Amino acid sequence: EVQLVESGGGLVQPGGSLRLSCAASGFTFSTYWMHWVRQAPGKGLVWVSHINSDGSSTSYADSVKGRFTISRDNAKNTLYLHMNSLRADDTAVYYCARDRQLSFDYWGQGTLVTVSP
Amino acid sequence: DIQMTQSPSSLSASVGDRVTITCQASQDISNYLNWYQQKPGKAPKLLIYDASNLETGVPSRFSGSGSGTDFTFTISSLQPEDIATYYCQQYDNLPRTFGPGTKVDIK
Repeated sequence: EVQLVESGGGLVQPGGSLRLSCAASGFTFSTYWMHWVRQAPGKGLVWVSHINSDGSSTSYADSVKGRFTISRDNAKNTLYLHMNSLRADDTAVYYCARDRQLSFDYWGQGTLVTVSP
Repeated sequence: DIQMTQSPSSLSASVGDRVTITCQASQDISNYLNWYQQKPGKAPKLLIYDASNLETGVPSRFSGSGSGTDFTFTISSLQPEDIATYYCQQYDNLPRTFGPGTKVDIK
C-alpha cells in the first residue's frame, strides 16, 4: 500500500526556518517525481515545488523561490522541504504528492505550518 | 504561467441531480488536465486524468471531457458522499497550476 506521511510542521516566528519531511512507503520511491502542494486555511490548492526522481532537477513557485529548497534522500525514501525566511502568508497545510505520469495520484495527510509572532 | 479558472465557485444540488463544472485554461493545454476531489479536512484525491480518463476505483458517475482551453467535469447523479470541493489542474507546463475550486453541497 502506497503511503506518504508528512511531518515537521508547527508554529514558527516570521523570518524563521522549518524542515518538512515526507516519508514514502509501498512503492519504489526513487523512480517517481515528487511535489509539494500547500493550502492556506480556507483557500485552494497551490503547487509549491517539484523534484525529479534522482534529485537533479527542481522547480519552485515564484512565491517561494529563493526561500524554499526541495530535496530527497532515495536511500531513506524521504522527501524534504527546507523553508527559510518564513512569512505569515506561508501559513498553510503542506502536502507531499507522488507524480504518476504528470498526475498527483497519491497524497499525504498534510502537515500544518503556522507562521506567527 | 498558465491560469486556470473554474465555474461556478459553488453550487447546491439535490441527490440524483446531474452536476457540471467547467474549467478554462488561459492557453491551449491539449488534454493535460486533472480533476481532484477534496473532502473537508482530507487530502485531495485524483478522479480524472488526461481530461477524460477515470482513475482506478473511482465511480463511473464521475466523468470529464474537453481539450484545448475548455473542459467539463460531470457528476451524472449526485450522491451525499460527493459533497466536496473539486479542483482542476493543468500539467502542460510547470508550475502545475490549480483552478480555484468548486464547492459542491446538497440542497
